[in-house]
Order: sequence, then C-alpha cells, then structure tokens
Amino acid sequence: GENVEQHPSTLSVQEGDSAVIKCTYSDSASNYFPWYKQELGKRPQLIIDIRSNVGEKKDQRIAVTLNKTAKHFSLHITETQPEDSAVYFCAASKTGTASKLTFGTGTRLQVTL
Amino acid sequence: KAGVTQTPRYLIKTRGQQVTLSCSPISGHRSVSWYQQTPGQGLQFLFEYFSETQRNKGNFPGRFSGRQFSNSRSEMNVSTLELGDSALYLCASSLPWEGYGYTFGSGTRLTVV
Repeated sequence: GENVEQHPSTLSVQEGDSAVIKCTYSDSASNYFPWYKQELGKRPQLIIDIRSNVGEKKDQRIAVTLNKTAKHFSLHITETQPEDSAVYFCAASKTGTASKLTFGTGTRLQVTL
Repeated sequence: KAGVTQTPRYLIKTRGQQVTLSCSPISGHRSVSWYQQTPGQGLQFLFEYFSETQRNKGNFPGRFSGRQFSNSRSEMNVSTLELGDSALYLCASSLPWEGYGYTFGSGTRLTVV
C-alpha cells in the first residue's frame, strides 16, 4: 500500500520568514495530494491540494509543488504569521472509487514573534 | 452550508464496552470515510462508505465496523473496547467518484478507561 513520509516533524520560524515542509510517497499511481492544517483541539482543514497533472499550485501565501518523477511534494508558506502555527499534514491518494487518504506523520510549525 | 457533523464530541467508556459514533456528511456528499487519530500512529484510515456499501477498508481489527444509511449519515461501532482504542475519531465526506476535497468533522474524542 501507499506510504507517505513527512519532514521535518517540527519547524520553528520567525514571523515573516518562509517555511517548507516536504513529503515523499511510494505509490506511483497516487494522483491527488492535499495538505491539511490542524490547530490544537480542532479538525484538520484542507488548505491546498494538487493533482498529478499539475506541477505547482499557489493560493496567496501558500504554494504546493509536485515532482512526480521523484515522488515528492512540498508545502511552501511565505511571510509566515503567528496564526500559521499549527500541525500540518500531507496526504496522498488515488482518486476515484474506493479512494482513501494516506497521511504523513505531521509537522508542527511554530511561528515566533 | 453546514459542515460535517459528528456526535458526540466526547465520550468516556470502560474497557470491554462498545461504542457507536455518528457522522452526518455535508449535504450532497455521499461518500463518508472514517479515520483514527492518535499521537503515536497519526491519522489512519478505517473505512469508507458510499451508497450504504463499504467500498474500502483499512487495517483495523473486526471490532471496528460501520454502516451508512440511505440519507448518507454514517455510524461507526467499536466493540469490546481496549485502552488502545482511545483516540480522536474523525469522519470526512467528499463527492463520490472523485475523492477530492475531503472535509473533516470536528471528531469524537473517545477515552477508554
């Protein structure tokens, strides 16, 4: 089955700096890669996703890049703010019937003032 | 529009008992998936239902079961509870045949004592 590795497990950046979280996946058939943000005591919230027919996607301060050949994808957050502090999870899946998300182990991002 | 609703939010049960958790998906979403979240194992897929049928199942023992009703609401049942079943149980809904854009509920925090 699919296996997703995520690094780093913790990341501390100063406000205004950029943060990068990296994930690798094992199943070359995976074609959908979402990123979720989970604040303490709250539900995971989808912040951005990318499909395998696209190499990069951007939404304001957040961007995701995908390298299908190397089977890795990354989340980039620019101009970080204290409210970006949370745990971020990457995931991979094969869309269509019987799809399921395989998650990475999470990255705890702390943005300091 | 209303999000994914999970009830109850918190539950304390004794080892050996059984428990039933409920999930109402976003209106129009017919696919419901369940995930277990623990500090040690992260987010793990339990099963997915569509049109009252289980389409996919994760690697959990048979004590974990579920069902889906004709209105797409889903229930998850855990029998003969063990201490290790203490976790946050998350339900996610998405449009069928796509597997994109999973939206999570706030979860049910189950504590087994």
